[in-house]
Amino acid sequence: ETVMTQSPVTLSVSPGERATLSCRASQSISSHLAWYQQKPGQAPRLLIYNAATRATGIPARFSGSGSETEFTLTISSLQSEDFAVYYCQQYKNWPPWTFGQGTKVEIK
Amino acid sequence: QVQLVESGGGLVKPGGSLRLSCAASGLSFSDYYMGWIRQAPGKGLEWVSYISASGRTIFYADSVKGRFTISTDNAKNSLYLQMNNLRAEDTAVYYCAGDQLPNWFDVWGQGTLVTVSS
Repeated sequence: ETVMTQSPVTLSVSPGERATLSCRASQSISSHLAWYQQKPGQAPRLLIYNAATRATGIPARFSGSGSETEFTLTISSLQSEDFAVYYCQQYKNWPPWTFGQGTKVEIK
Repeated sequence: QVQLVESGGGLVKPGGSLRLSCAASGLSFSDYYMGWIRQAPGKGLEWVSYISASGRTIFYADSVKGRFTISTDNAKNSLYLQMNNLRAEDTAVYYCAGDQLPNWFDVWGQGTLVTVSS
């Protein structure tokens, strides 16, 4: 099983600032990585797939990078609606499809 | 507009059974790779089960293997999760989710809460 580890657990950021979230895979997953955003009481929303491709309707301030075992989600200028929990998920070595434990982006 | 709507959650005693349903509009399950993903209270996301677009390939997480059964009814455009011998650790919000590829999950339902407690 490919274990996904996200850091930090919580990220405190001021509106307008840049946020950088990390995700590490326990083995190589090439670029088979997705990022999701989840707000309280809502289902997750797909942000990024193939490590760097934005899903339909996702603003350009969200960008993904990385390959093999190290990945990054960057939010260039945080808006109020971006404060949420973010998950990474690998789809290289399945089953199982595995998620990271999440990073909570909170207002500083 | 693509929409998934889950139903069937509720309170059940340990050892009991529940059947979750996921009704689709705007998509056909014969074109989508679908899964069930759960989220325990205050916790992260855990993949539970998968069914291919053809329905011929099915996988389960080790934690539910032998107890849960995934299925689809293309005529009703519905996805199901039959959950037997439920345990307290199965308590979670269950989401149906899928995509036209067996990779990421682009379409999600709103979730249905399953509580296993005596």
